[in-house]
Amino acid sequence: KAGVTQTPRYLIKTRGQQVTLSCSPISGHRSVSWYQQTPGQGLQFLFEYFSETQRNKGNFPGRFSGRQFSNSRSEMNVSTLELGDSALYLCASSSGTSGSTETQYFGPGTRLLVL
Amino acid sequence: DQQVKQNSPSLSVQEGRISILNCDYTNSMFDYFLWYKKYPAEGPTFLISISSIKDKNEDGRFTVFLNKSAKHLSLHIVPSQPGDSAVYFCAARGMYSGGGADGLTFGKGTHLIIQP
Repeated sequence: KAGVTQTPRYLIKTRGQQVTLSCSPISGHRSVSWYQQTPGQGLQFLFEYFSETQRNKGNFPGRFSGRQFSNSRSEMNVSTLELGDSALYLCASSSGTSGSTETQYFGPGTRLLVL
Repeated sequence: DQQVKQNSPSLSVQEGRISILNCDYTNSMFDYFLWYKKYPAEGPTFLISISSIKDKNEDGRFTVFLNKSAKHLSLHIVPSQPGDSAVYFCAARGMYSGGGADGLTFGKGTHLIIQP
């Protein structure tokens, strides 16, 4: 089975712009979660999508949003970029049907640099 | 407030010896714990997990121990190999008040260095 794929792998944007990141989960997986990794805060949960609906979200401002399509692919959007949004954005997929006791599998991440 | 803590930022172990990575948590609602390994510029790779109803889970060279009363878990790697050099993250998950599963809560990681 192919793993989780994320595009693009690297992005450079300037403050005030917006950005869209894409994630394709493992075939058959219906849950996609997004995480942000920064040197200061570590890995933090952004939100989870299941069957095209946001099912859970972490403590991030409304500038961070996402969506999921019928084929389970997901996109994450960040509007009005700030310097502090520079981070590695990771997508994780899981079946979504086993509650808290299921494993999430991560993609390689998208490295975003905001100048 | 950090709910998952890995108090050792780095750990150096000789090749062939046992590596023990530790993790403490504060949230008693966590019921599933995972260890991930991460290389620079890559996503975390799942290693091993344990449910709160167990106290030990083993997979090849990797064993995870869970002490619920102490809210402590550890990852043992025996024997340690050069390819094990990486950052190891402890993560925990529980159910949230809305009824669904919460996102993973991660520790800050421990950089394991295996010395030849």
